[in-house]
Amino acid sequence: GENVEQHPSTLSVQEGDSAVIKCTYSDSASNYFPWYKQELGKRPQLIIDIRSNVGEKKDQRIAVTLNKTAKHFSLHITETQPEDSAVYFCAASISQEYGNKLVFGAGTILRVKS
Amino acid sequence: ETGVTQTPRHLVMGMTNKKSLKCEQHLGHNAMYWYKQSAKKPLELMFVYNFKEQTENNSVPSRFSPECPNSSHLFLHLHTLQPEDSALYLCASSSQGGGNSPLHFGNGTRLTVT
Repeated sequence: GENVEQHPSTLSVQEGDSAVIKCTYSDSASNYFPWYKQELGKRPQLIIDIRSNVGEKKDQRIAVTLNKTAKHFSLHITETQPEDSAVYFCAASISQEYGNKLVFGAGTILRVKS
Repeated sequence: ETGVTQTPRHLVMGMTNKKSLKCEQHLGHNAMYWYKQSAKKPLELMFVYNFKEQTENNSVPSRFSPECPNSSHLFLHLHTLQPEDSALYLCASSSQGGGNSPLHFGNGTRLTVT
């Protein structure tokens, strides 16, 4: 199928703690995995992405890991801050007969408590 | 400031009305998309245009009609909508189609069908 499963649906952490969001996909040919952050009332914005030729990518407090064998990838946010509170979406490229398309997870609501 | 501009930001329409959503991108991208975002559901891809050619129509009801006159502009024409069509409609663009490059989203049109 074309599903991308995302967990948890909601996550509350204390400021300064780490947050981890996990996604699984079903298409072994998937090769592109972006993460988007959507603040309340705003548009989704790309925060980090990874391609299937690497296993991990970091950008300051944000990192993404990819396990191709298990078909799952995770977003890690360290030293969380209140401004990290938002909805986070993972996505995976799914191969189709006429090209790839991005399929999104259902989102994780992250609340960082100060 | 986003390179993808959507108008209007909010739209309330009756089930017998005809209206259009507009999207314009200033990023020089070749692919444009319409997504539907409903509460607690994954982003749903509706239409894809790559170099002005429609490459995907995800079984969207005919009451939604896209138009892409050039690679910078995208419209979504609406008529005889149903209350369940109420949602946030997001336009996006990417440098190339195929689901392997980052999406840049507009701020969306919040549609309410009464």
